[in-house]
Parts: sequence; structure tokens; C-alpha cells
Amino acid sequence: NAGVTQTPKFQVLKTGQSMTLQCAQDMNHNSMYWYRQDPGMGLRLIYYSASEGTTDKGEVPNGYNVSRLNKREFSLRLESAAPSQTSVYFCASSLRTEAFFGQGTRLTVV
Amino acid sequence: KQEVTQIPAALSVPEGENLVLNCSFTDSAIYNLQWFRQDPGKGLTSLLLIQSSQREQTSGRLNASLDKSSGRSTLYIAASQPGDSATYLCAVGHRNTGNQFYFGTGTSLTVIP
Repeated sequence: NAGVTQTPKFQVLKTGQSMTLQCAQDMNHNSMYWYRQDPGMGLRLIYYSASEGTTDKGEVPNGYNVSRLNKREFSLRLESAAPSQTSVYFCASSLRTEAFFGQGTRLTVV
Repeated sequence: KQEVTQIPAALSVPEGENLVLNCSFTDSAIYNLQWFRQDPGKGLTSLLLIQSSQREQTSGRLNASLDKSSGRSTLYIAASQPGDSATYLCAVGHRNTGNQFYFGTGTSLTVIP
């Protein structure tokens, strides 16, 4: 029962570097999401994809891009990392109702 | 924009006590409400899901209620155990916005043996 799988689990970047966070789900869910979690601020939505081929901005999209590669995979890209993007990133998926989350990626930008 | 608030931010109780965690939201046009548990450094584990047409859901020692009209949900934990120590998050879902989920900042629970 893999559920939602995120890679990598940990990453340290230098300011200005780029990277892609990968997410895959095996539950045949239509919707997928990227959140970031910061102390005292809860989880905030970065981007979401209601179905394959569509993506929409969430609350905090600046500095990020996403790709819904197929129904299973939804990637998050940081083109030029900044210290303000130091956070824990969570991918989630849902089929209209219940949401399931990955284990998170802890990203530090120095 | 939906605002979700959880009170208290932190709670410490002795083992065996019954306790209630609160979640309030500003927009009652929700699709569902979900309670999660998060252990330090870990992901979110779904505890209970309440559809907008339901009033409550139960799983073991957990009971969650939903009152859409007043914009409130409660998570009741019976006979608390040290293993219940974690952060509890509530999230409300909106169908008309691609099923976006709006989260509260959580309640950090410590159960003292």
C-alpha cells in the first residue's frame, strides 16, 4: 500500500539552485496538491491539479511551477531557490472527498 | 477566503482524561471536514472524515462532530493515552475550488503518563 510517495525526503539547496520535487500516487485519484508547512502558519496550498492536464494556483504559488505529468504524478519545481522557500513540502491526492498525504520533503535553502 | 482556526494551540492532559479539540471555520459552504494527526517530523495521517451532510463520525476512541451552521467541528478523544501525543489538524474541503483543503494551524496534544 504505497499511497502517496514523495522524493526526496530531505534536500539542501544553495540560493539560486533549482530542483524538482516528485510525487506519485497509486490510488487512481483525480486531484493532487502541493502544500508547504511552516511553523505557526499551518499548511498552505501552493498549486493543485483537479484532474490530469489541469493545474491551478493556490494561496502561495510565487516561485514555484508544477507539472501534472499523468494521472499518477504531480511534480513541483523551484526554478531559483530562495531562503524563504525553506519549508516542509507535502504532496496530497484525493478523489472528491478524503485527502491522503505523502511523508513530506524537508527542504533547506542556504 | 476560508479561515480555519483551532483552539487551543497546545494542550497537556494526564493519561486517562477525556478531551475535546476545537476547529472553527468562516465559510459554511464546505464539502467535507477531515481531522488529521501529525507526529513530529512525519506526514499527516487521516483520522476521520465527515461529509457535509453528516453530523458526526466515530472511530474507536475518537468522535468528530460537525455543525456547519455554526462553523464548528470538535474532535473528542476518550480515555487519552501517551500514544495520542501529537499535533491534530483539521481541514475543510471545498468542491467548487477543485477540492481545495484549508487547514487550521493545529493543536499540539501532550498526554502525560
